[in-house]
Amino acid sequence: KQEVTQIPAALSVPEGENLVLNCSFTDSAIYNLQWFRQDPGKGLTSLLLIQSSQREQTSGRLNASLDKSSGRSTLYIAASQPGDSATYLCAVDRGSTLGRLYFGRGTQLTVWP
Amino acid sequence: NAGVTQTPKFQVLKTGQSMTLQCAQDMNHEYMSWYRQDPGMGLRLIHYSVGAGITDQGEVPNGYNVSRSTTEDFPLRLLSAAPSQTSVYFCASTGTSGSRTDTQYFGPGTRLTVL
Repeated sequence: KQEVTQIPAALSVPEGENLVLNCSFTDSAIYNLQWFRQDPGKGLTSLLLIQSSQREQTSGRLNASLDKSSGRSTLYIAASQPGDSATYLCAVDRGSTLGRLYFGRGTQLTVWP
Repeated sequence: NAGVTQTPKFQVLKTGQSMTLQCAQDMNHEYMSWYRQDPGMGLRLIHYSVGAGITDQGEVPNGYNVSRSTTEDFPLRLLSAAPSQTSVYFCASTGTSGSRTDTQYFGPGTRLTVL
């Protein structure tokens, strides 16, 4: 069974800091990995999707990397802002069931002014 | 496009009652799924569908039924509500069956409390 772990569970940083969120998974046979953002009381919004053949994806101040062999992904957020405060979820598509995602428990990020 | 919509947003049930959580998408996505989110547990797959008329069980299917009569709609039925089903329920959809390049789109969630 695919296990997805996210570290740290919570992070509080001052505005302007660059930060890294970590995700690890136990089975390296994945099709893709996605990072989502969840605001309190809201649904999930996809931030970045990395195909298994890719090493990283970038969108604005966000950069996600993938190392399949070691079962790790990182989400790098540059120049953090209070609006980045949310829970960030990592999910892997293992491929055994089409579209079935295995989620980590998330990292709750607070960026204070 | 409205994306993925869910109704109701909030619901309180008594133990033993039944209800249907509605989910609809207007993106012509073939794949739809239901997850539940519990504190400290992450999101867990309940049921999913790869197209109209085709459904299958996920990780935690007991106590729930689904059907997929149209591409757009994927309702989740609670047969006899139990306090253990108190959770936030999310519906999701993604693009063409077989594609690994599409992100999944999530609805805003239904917060269910069973007393």
